[in-house]
Amino acid sequence: AQSVSQHNHHVILSEAASLELGCNYSYGGTVNLFWYVQYPGQHLQLLLKYFSGDPLVKGIKGFEAEFIKSKFSFNLRKPSVQWSDTAEYFCAVNVFTNDMRFGAGTRLTVKP
Amino acid sequence: EAQVTQNPRYLITVTGKKLTVTCSQNMNHEYMSWYRQDPGLGLRQIYYSMNVEVTDKGDVPEGYKVSRKEKRNFPLILESPSPNQTSLYFCASTSVGGGSPLHFGNGTRLTVT
Repeated sequence: AQSVSQHNHHVILSEAASLELGCNYSYGGTVNLFWYVQYPGQHLQLLLKYFSGDPLVKGIKGFEAEFIKSKFSFNLRKPSVQWSDTAEYFCAVNVFTNDMRFGAGTRLTVKP
Repeated sequence: EAQVTQNPRYLITVTGKKLTVTCSQNMNHEYMSWYRQDPGLGLRQIYYSMNVEVTDKGDVPEGYKVSRKEKRNFPLILESPSPNQTSLYFCASTSVGGGSPLHFGNGTRLTVT
């Protein structure tokens, strides 16, 4: 079955630590890849997206993600997290249509 | 301001009492969708619509209905709510074409007792 897997359910980091959140998908062929962020009590907002071209994508707030086609992965990274990055992060995939499939989410807690 | 507007933000109801959650977007998007968010399960799609009068089931459609009579509106209807429909619901929209990101509403937290 087609799916999106996020490896970590809850990640706890101290400020200034580096972040990497894993995302793998099981779709074959061409995909569009997204990371969304949901701050406490808010709706989902787009962090970054990959359609084609350079597999290293830069998004807002210093986040970036790398698409590795051979590994079916799209991991999210940030060199130095801040307390304000505390949120839930969702990886999402769609293929040709608008049908967006989401991972289960990773909750990030950044300790000041 | 471009936005997706959901109402109400919070709703507490009892089993069996029909309810409607409204969703409206002002971006002239063709595609609209409803998701429910539950802890550990991420977002699961309930129904979606590719355009006016065109709707289809998502992954978890049981117990829900939708309609798309106008391009801007996509209400979610629970004819006979049950406690297992207690959840956080999001409406989203985007332009047709797989590469466009979704624009989300602020969510509706529904509790069915």
